[in-house]
Amino acid sequence: DIVMTQSPDSLGVALGERATINCRSSQSVWDSSNNKNNLAWYQQKPGQPPKLLIYWASNREPGVPDRFTGGGSGTDFTLTIDSLQAEDLAVYYCQQYYSNPITFGPGTTVDIK
Amino acid sequence: QVHLVQSGAEVKKPGASVTVSCKTSGYPFTGYYIHWVRQAPGQGLEWLGWINPNRGATTFAPKFQGRVTMTRDTSMRTVYLVLSRLRSDDTAVYFCAREGGNSGYDDLDHWGQGTLVTVSS
Repeated sequence: DIVMTQSPDSLGVALGERATINCRSSQSVWDSSNNKNNLAWYQQKPGQPPKLLIYWASNREPGVPDRFTGGGSGTDFTLTIDSLQAEDLAVYYCQQYYSNPITFGPGTTVDIK
Repeated sequence: QVHLVQSGAEVKKPGASVTVSCKTSGYPFTGYYIHWVRQAPGQGLEWLGWINPNRGATTFAPKFQGRVTMTRDTSMRTVYLVLSRLRSDDTAVYFCAREGGNSGYDDLDHWGQGTLVTVSS
């Protein structure tokens, strides 16, 4: 299984400031057949299902604000939230879809400092 | 508009089976895989597997092999998850989610609201 880790576990950020979440996979999720990283980011608010933010590591899902940016390649990835808004308070998960079983990181909680 | 609507909460005894349904609308039903993901109380996300509604092919996470079944009813645009031999640690919210691609290995772009399954004697 590909093990996904995230850091930090939780992150306190002032409104208007930047939040950066790290995700690491235990093996590369780079798919040479399509030259893409099989890595997505989700946002989950209490009592709601996850919401897709980023796919292929850096592609923003339609409708997602451009303050959300995904980066990285291979085994190391980041999700950056620029100018944090109150509605961004949530848990964020990375996910690899390179191989079975599909696995998620343990989540990073973003709250207000 | 894409919608996935799941069946209601269930309470089951250990050793029993549970069926959760996921009714879809707003897109070509047979064109997109449906995945199932669960979340234990206060915990993270765990993937169970997927079904290709076109031919009914399935793939499961090894952990659940032998205990999980996924089926579909194309006339009802509905997929079903059956988890058998339930244990207390199967207590979780179960989500269905539509895959954004068409391979079985892609992001999950639309999700159901979740179904709480409680396993308790």
